[in-house]
Amino acid sequence: QQQVRQSPQSLTVWEGETAILNCSYEDSTFDYFPWYWQFPRESPALLIAIRPVSNKKEDGRFTIFFNKREKKLSLHITDSQPGDSATYFCAANTGGLSGKLTFGEGTQVTVIS
Amino acid sequence: EAAVTQSPRNKVAVTGGKVTLSCNQTNNHNNMYWYRQDTGHGLRLIHYSYGAGSTEKGDIPDGYKASRPSQENFSLILELATPSQTSVYFCASGEGLGGFQDTQYFGPGTRLLVL
Repeated sequence: QQQVRQSPQSLTVWEGETAILNCSYEDSTFDYFPWYWQFPRESPALLIAIRPVSNKKEDGRFTIFFNKREKKLSLHITDSQPGDSATYFCAANTGGLSGKLTFGEGTQVTVIS
Repeated sequence: EAAVTQSPRNKVAVTGGKVTLSCNQTNNHNNMYWYRQDTGHGLRLIHYSYGAGSTEKGDIPDGYKASRPSQENFSLILELATPSQTSVYFCASGEGLGGFQDTQYFGPGTRLLVL
């Protein structure tokens, strides 16, 4: 059972446009939501993260919007650049000592110029 | 800068053979993790560890064992490899302090092909 779901599977945007990546979850005990990105032939790395005490987290051109009631969040990439082309993973954990993350299936983003 | 290394980087194994994947971290992190990555499934947790001597089952542990002999090293063992275990395997480490800033740092991955 997939506890963290992402959509779309893939997304192509023009340079300068805003890419919107969606994520939803089922477990209401999840309390921390990091997004990791992964470039081709590389390993995942943390991009940005949010806790439900906030409904928005911004870091440069990357913004997470969080809706706790609907158990949904989205990652917005504004002014998309070709260098943003990567696979983006939404993840979640309960904040315990294990630090265990449950990952979504990923969204592959391609930015064309 | 976090430093997690994996060996081997590529491995071809035969069905029924034993495979050991090794991971080393120099971050002095408490927690270590083994994931596999397959198209359409994202990253799935196989085993994890809280520290030396500790191993815990993740979400898909069947067919895998793990060993954490020291703070720095965490191994994944496939006693009887099967073609369904063909995948890319990532090791990661994390501080394990229970805080919400517990970033996981990933190694470069091991590509395993089981024939």
